Amino acid sequence: NAGVMQNPRHLVRRRGQEARLRCSPMKGHSHVYWYRQLPEEGLKFMVYLQKENIIDESGMPKERFSAEFPKEGPSILRIQQVVRGDSAAYFCASSSGQPALNEKLFFGSGTQLSVL
Amino acid sequence: DAKTTQPPSMDCAEGRAANLPCNHSTISGNEYVYWYRQIHSQGPQYIIHGLKNNETNEMASLIITEDRKSSTLILPHATLRDTAVYYCIVRGYNTDKLIFGTGTRLQVFP
Repeated sequence: NAGVMQNPRHLVRRRGQEARLRCSPMKGHSHVYWYRQLPEEGLKFMVYLQKENIIDESGMPKERFSAEFPKEGPSILRIQQVVRGDSAAYFCASSSGQPALNEKLFFGSGTQLSVL
Repeated sequence: DAKTTQPPSMDCAEGRAANLPCNHSTISGNEYVYWYRQIHSQGPQYIIHGLKNNETNEMASLIITEDRKSSTLILPHATLRDTAVYYCIVRGYNTDKLIFGTGTRLQVFP
């Protein structure tokens, strides 16, 4: 029973390139959350998606960042024209989307993005 | 979601109980208290959560004051592997979304 799978584990990009981070939720989960953690800081919420829908993108930067969770396949966090300030650990979490049942978020191991 | 306040760091001797406090004085009646920890840049790991009553599982105990304005996470016999940043989070009733603060960095020493 695999947990939340993120890949790649490490990603190196040069300034101006695109970064695509993938997240496969736990089996049976249809809700995905993306968080960013800058060095020596806490996790910052970015976006919350359901299959084919963005529910809450209040933490997403206005430019260069986008996220999707298609009907089939993993959720993708896409960063266009990366800059050095995008270097961070990006974590994905999933849930079944039933908070009234005291659901927990399960987190992946993260993708460490390094921008040269 | 209500804001939480935690001490930035704590030390604990191996084998002793680690008691991590959290203040959430603005918590509302239908908000839960969740605890997660993050070990050295790994993904956060769920520990325990509660609403009003004290809770215990195989990892820890959670003590919530009667007025619900504060809580304490107890690791009964801390080990070196419990060294981590511990996050206390108040979560709304109708959302899974978690808002992380700065947490408490717990250092367990031999």
